Amino acid sequence: AQTVTQSQPEMSVQEAETVTLSCTYDTSESDYYLFWYKQPPSRQMILVIRQEAYKQQNATENRFSVNFQKAAKSFSLKISDSQLGDAAMYFCAYRFGSNFGNEKLTFGTGTRLTIIP
Amino acid sequence: DSGVTQTPKHLITATGQRVTLRCSPRSGDLSVYWYQQSLDQGLQFLIQYYNGEERAKGNILERFSAQQFPDLHSELNLSSLELGDSALYFCASSLGGGGRSRPLHFGNGTRLTVT
Repeated sequence: AQTVTQSQPEMSVQEAETVTLSCTYDTSESDYYLFWYKQPPSRQMILVIRQEAYKQQNATENRFSVNFQKAAKSFSLKISDSQLGDAAMYFCAYRFGSNFGNEKLTFGTGTRLTIIP
Repeated sequence: DSGVTQTPKHLITATGQRVTLRCSPRSGDLSVYWYQQSLDQGLQFLIQYYNGEERAKGNILERFSAQQFPDLHSELNLSSLELGDSALYFCASSLGGGGRSRPLHFGNGTRLTVT
């Protein structure tokens, strides 16, 4: 079974600084997708960024970027110029690439990010 | 706004009771997923429906059941409730059909408290 591991239960960063959240996963598949979701105190689940395994180029979305290391099965999230609104729980998630009608996500246990003013 | 609607937002009930959680997916989405998030835990996949049919099953208890109706809304039924069932229940939807990198869009969740 596919597993997703986030080894940092909590992280903190000074406002305007850069922080990197770690994620590793285990799969025997070659075609898959990886996601980072953010859950602020409101408890909403908000998609931050996605990465297709077949793409070598790392995904970026404004201040958010990933470091995708397929051979190492590593998928870290870098947040640049951290803002107070970035404080949240961050979940790494995995899904199969080509399962018709089944796109369920497998989530890690999350990393709680605190922004220090 | 994700476009996924969950009702009710909060539910407080007693042990042994039965409740129904409702989810309306985003317009055009055929797949609905249910997840359970216990306090400060990750999200555990319960079950998925695609266009009215059960597509995948996770760690869903026998006391729980779900269905997706012809109008594509879905209901999650929880019966013989126990204190440990207290959690945030999320519904998510996606277009389905195996499309590449289609993300799941989540509703705001239903907070269930069993007393």
